[in-house]
Amino acid sequence: KNEVEQSPQNLTAQEGEFITINCSYSVGISALHWLQQHPGGGIVSLFMLSSGKKKHGRLIATINIQEKHSSLHITASHPRDSAVYICAVNGGGADGLTFGKGTHLIIQP
Amino acid sequence: SQTIHQWPATLVQPVGSPLSLECTVEGTSNPNLYWYRQAAGRGLQLLFYSVGIGQISSEVPQNLSASRPQDRQFILSSKKLLLSDSGFYLCAWERRWGLGSSYNEQFFGPGTRLTVL
Repeated sequence: KNEVEQSPQNLTAQEGEFITINCSYSVGISALHWLQQHPGGGIVSLFMLSSGKKKHGRLIATINIQEKHSSLHITASHPRDSAVYICAVNGGGADGLTFGKGTHLIIQP
Repeated sequence: SQTIHQWPATLVQPVGSPLSLECTVEGTSNPNLYWYRQAAGRGLQLLFYSVGIGQISSEVPQNLSASRPQDRQFILSSKKLLLSDSGFYLCAWERRWGLGSSYNEQFFGPGTRLTVL
């Protein structure tokens, strides 16, 4: 079973700072997901990656398959980016996602 | 476009009472369906998944059960709730392109927050 580790667990930064959240996993995967969870609990899928890099607005996600590692970057962070960011992996079958414990991000104005 | 519904949004139930949470998906057919739970202070955990009507697989032994009576309906149930069943329950669906394959991107419902007292 895949083990998914995220770091840091908690991160507080000032508005405008460049943010990096890391995720590592133990077993080969078919896809890695970055999810965003707001205080109400709803989850939004930000990225699904199987290789390389993806960018959406101020968010960038990268994955290194050989090193079993992914990073989520936020450029020019804003208080509205405050949320829990969750890394999850899919082994390729239909048996669901394995999740990291999440990174609680607070961006202060 | 596809949408996923969950209800109720919040639920407070006494210990020992039954539970039924419903999830429905619109705009797609033959999806893989999932129930996840997020207990207080813990990460999300897969509870059940289904690749078709009447087909349920469970990841962890527990007090809960799941059923898929229709293609786009997924129900989470319990006969007698425990305090430890409290948490945030998420349903998700995933498009399946062909037998034995999956597309991997999952779409999450709005969730049900369950408090067992």
